[in-house]
Amino acid sequence: IAGITQAPTSQILAAGRRMTLRCTQDMRHNAMYWYRQDLGLGLRLIHYSNTAGTTGKGEVPDGYSVSRANTDDFPLTLASAVPSQTSVYFCASSKVAGEPNEQFFGPGTRLTVL
Amino acid sequence: GQSLEQPSEVTAVEGAIVQINCTYQTSGFYGLSWYQQHDGGAPTFLSYNALDGLEETGRFSSFLSRSDSYGYLLLQELQMKDSASYFCAVRSSGGSYIPTFGRGTSLIVHP
Repeated sequence: IAGITQAPTSQILAAGRRMTLRCTQDMRHNAMYWYRQDLGLGLRLIHYSNTAGTTGKGEVPDGYSVSRANTDDFPLTLASAVPSQTSVYFCASSKVAGEPNEQFFGPGTRLTVL
Repeated sequence: GQSLEQPSEVTAVEGAIVQINCTYQTSGFYGLSWYQQHDGGAPTFLSYNALDGLEETGRFSSFLSRSDSYGYLLLQELQMKDSASYFCAVRSSGGSYIPTFGRGTSLIVHP
């Protein structure tokens, strides 16, 4: 692995199903983030983690949960998917939570909820 | 809270210079970042300004005026491959380090 990876690349999901999006980085970065990107709305922060063992809520956390059991992994779970969660999801990491906060993004997961 | 404003779209011709503006409102300012995103791809970091003035990196430059809560990204000698979306981003105050992105500017470069 080099950098940050996400799985799956894309997924079609029935409403009401549970889904976990995976994110792994091998850069030993302390901070990790989950964003959703919708047309015209840019990148909106869902949840973040400044260091392993801690998490926080971003701008649009409802319907999502995260965990940060170790430095490398930061999975995002949709407990019961709804059509409004159809989006492209990006995971990102940064060496430190502070400035300049240069973030490295994964390739994204395209999720469709029907 | 915090908010960022940037134009939704900018067009220019190959070889030209284009400026993408970003104004922000935030409680406690640390710095302004810029990211580039090609269609369907991952955003990539371009630049960061914490202090007033111009930062130059090759064909790209970024400017910040803290007193005006304003910054811009300047792209010179435009190439077709510069067609992409460009996002400005700031981080909130306090210890939470929550980053906020603008809605993005779609740059279209014509031959």
